Amino acid sequence: QQPVQSPQAVILREGEDAVINCSSSKALYSVHWYRQKHGEAPVFLMILLKGGEQKGHEKISASFNEKKQQSSLYLTASQLSYSGTYFCGTVDMNRDDKIIFGKGTRLHILP
Amino acid sequence: DAMVIQNPRYQVTQFGKPVTLSCSQTLNHNVMYWYQQKSSQAPKLLFHYYDKDFNNEADTPDNFQSRRPNTSFCFLDIRSPGLGDAAMYLCATSRGIAGSTDTQYFGPGTRLTVL
Repeated sequence: QQPVQSPQAVILREGEDAVINCSSSKALYSVHWYRQKHGEAPVFLMILLKGGEQKGHEKISASFNEKKQQSSLYLTASQLSYSGTYFCGTVDMNRDDKIIFGKGTRLHILP
Repeated sequence: DAMVIQNPRYQVTQFGKPVTLSCSQTLNHNVMYWYQQKSSQAPKLLFHYYDKDFNNEADTPDNFQSRRPNTSFCFLDIRSPGLGDAAMYLCATSRGIAGSTDTQYFGPGTRLTVL
């Protein structure tokens, strides 16, 4: 039931690109992406709804393939501020009243 | 301005000594959630309130209780903390339930240490 994220951890140099994947065994209604820095609360990045939509905010974008029950988060030309743990959270097609979070992907950006 | 406030930020308690964590929000959101997050793990939902309606997760231990006296405040009571309850406790709010498109806004968390 918990979505599976990959990779578990990524180390990049500033300016490099990264892709974080999130997959579920259940049909999904929506996917939520959050970033959490050490010792801080998770911060909302974006929601993707069924319909295969894509979204973007500056150099961070995401896609959602409902047929494959997968979502991917794309970080382009990474900045030091992108460091943190990225969580995807899924809401299944029953539109259950909760988000189930994956275990997270740790991203570390080196100068 | 802070939208979801949690107090205290750090709480130390003794094994078996009851503890209460507090969450308040200025967003006037209908839904308030409590999550438990252990080191390097995903946030785990304990329970949530939709207005005054309480929804407990099936695997939440009886040791954990919650109160929501009004729209703005929600409390997490741990009746007899064990060593395994040491974690970060996150409060979150949303206008509607997760099955809508509403964002969850998280507070900064309370880190609980059990001695």
